[in-house]
Amino acid sequence: GENVEQHPSTLSVQEGDSAVIKCTYSDSASNYFPWYKQELGKRPQLIIDIRSNVGEKKDQRIAVTLNKTAKHFSLHITETQPEDSAVYFCAASIGGANNLFFGTGTRLTVIP
Amino acid sequence: NAGVTQTPKFQVLKTGQSMTLQCAQDMNHEYMSWYRQDPGMGLRLIHYSVGAGITDQGEVPNGYNVSRSTTEDFPLRLLSAAPSQTSVYFCASSYSPATPDEQYFGPGTRLTVT
Repeated sequence: GENVEQHPSTLSVQEGDSAVIKCTYSDSASNYFPWYKQELGKRPQLIIDIRSNVGEKKDQRIAVTLNKTAKHFSLHITETQPEDSAVYFCAASIGGANNLFFGTGTRLTVIP
Repeated sequence: NAGVTQTPKFQVLKTGQSMTLQCAQDMNHEYMSWYRQDPGMGLRLIHYSVGAGITDQGEVPNGYNVSRSTTEDFPLRLLSAAPSQTSVYFCASSYSPATPDEQYFGPGTRLTVT
């Protein structure tokens, strides 16, 4: 099956700075890469996703980049705010199915 | 729409007991799945279903059974609970079973096995 690795496991940034979280995947058949945000005690919620036919996608302060050759993708959050503090998970899905393989998560802390 | 609902929110079991975690969705989604979340390990797929009457195993299926008799419901059964099954369980659903797309998660069930 697919193996997704995520770094770093923890990340602290000052409010207003940028945060970058990186993931690698192992199966070249993976074609869908979502990012989920999970606040303490809550359910994961999708914040952005990208498909393999696209190299970059932006949604306001959030962007995701994908490098299929190197099999890695990254989440970029600009102008961070305290409400961005949460655990972020990357995931990958192999083509033809909707099963997600998750990274181990990054705990982001935004310091006011 | 209520979205994806799960019951119970919390459960404590003794080793060897059995129980069923309930999951329901009212979005007419074909795809449903169960994940478990353990500290430092992300979410791992237990079982999934691409439609009523069809189920299959995920990454960590041992010790769990599922069935899908209706589009709306996807219960997860623990046959004989073990301490290793202490975890938070999330049910998720999405519209298409074959095209990867946003999965909507339920609120989770926190299970402790003593």
